[in-house]
Amino acid sequence: KNQVEQSPQSLIILEGKNCTLQCNYTVSPFSNLRWYKQDTGRGPVSLTIMTFSENTKSNGRYTATLDADTKQSSLHITASQLSDSASYICVVISSGGSYIPTFGRGTSLIVHP
Amino acid sequence: AAGVIQSPRHLIKEKRETATLKCYPIPRHDTVYWYQQGPGQDPQFLISFYEKMQSDKGSIPDRFSAQQFSDYHSELNMSSLELGDSALYFCASSQQTGMFSRDEQFFGPGTRLTVL
Repeated sequence: KNQVEQSPQSLIILEGKNCTLQCNYTVSPFSNLRWYKQDTGRGPVSLTIMTFSENTKSNGRYTATLDADTKQSSLHITASQLSDSASYICVVISSGGSYIPTFGRGTSLIVHP
Repeated sequence: AAGVIQSPRHLIKEKRETATLKCYPIPRHDTVYWYQQGPGQDPQFLISFYEKMQSDKGSIPDRFSAQQFSDYHSELNMSSLELGDSALYFCASSQQTGMFSRDEQFFGPGTRLTVL
């Protein structure tokens, strides 16, 4: 069964600090992996899309890594800001000619001043 | 920049009633996706449309149906509503690049449906 596991479930950090969120998956066959930021009650916003051949991709203060061999991804947030407080969701898309997403439960990040 | 528009933003219905949710994709986007996110749960993919044709089907109940119209907007029709249908319903749109499973999706703000 395709699964996406995220850790930690929740995280509290101080403003300005860095943090790393983890995503492990068992989705096969693999097409791509996406990180989303979701504020409470709002739609997810795409941060990165990573394909099999991409190891690292940055989007401002967000840097995602992908190890397709170990089926692990991480999202590193640098110099956190209060506005980073949100849920970060890892989504893995299976290939095979159709769109089959498997969502992780998300990591709830709270940034304190 | 224009974003995905969903209407209504909030909807309250009673059990066994019907509901229609609307989604207006970003201009020039040809693909629409529908998701359901229950309280404290991760989003579940329901169904998608590309060029007005159903593209992929996820965990959409038989009581639900959807379609995409000639102007690319989409409607999700929900009948015989149940308490468990209470959720946030997101619509996302994308522009097919030929590698659709990798296309970036832009999500709307969601419609919060409450079934009493």
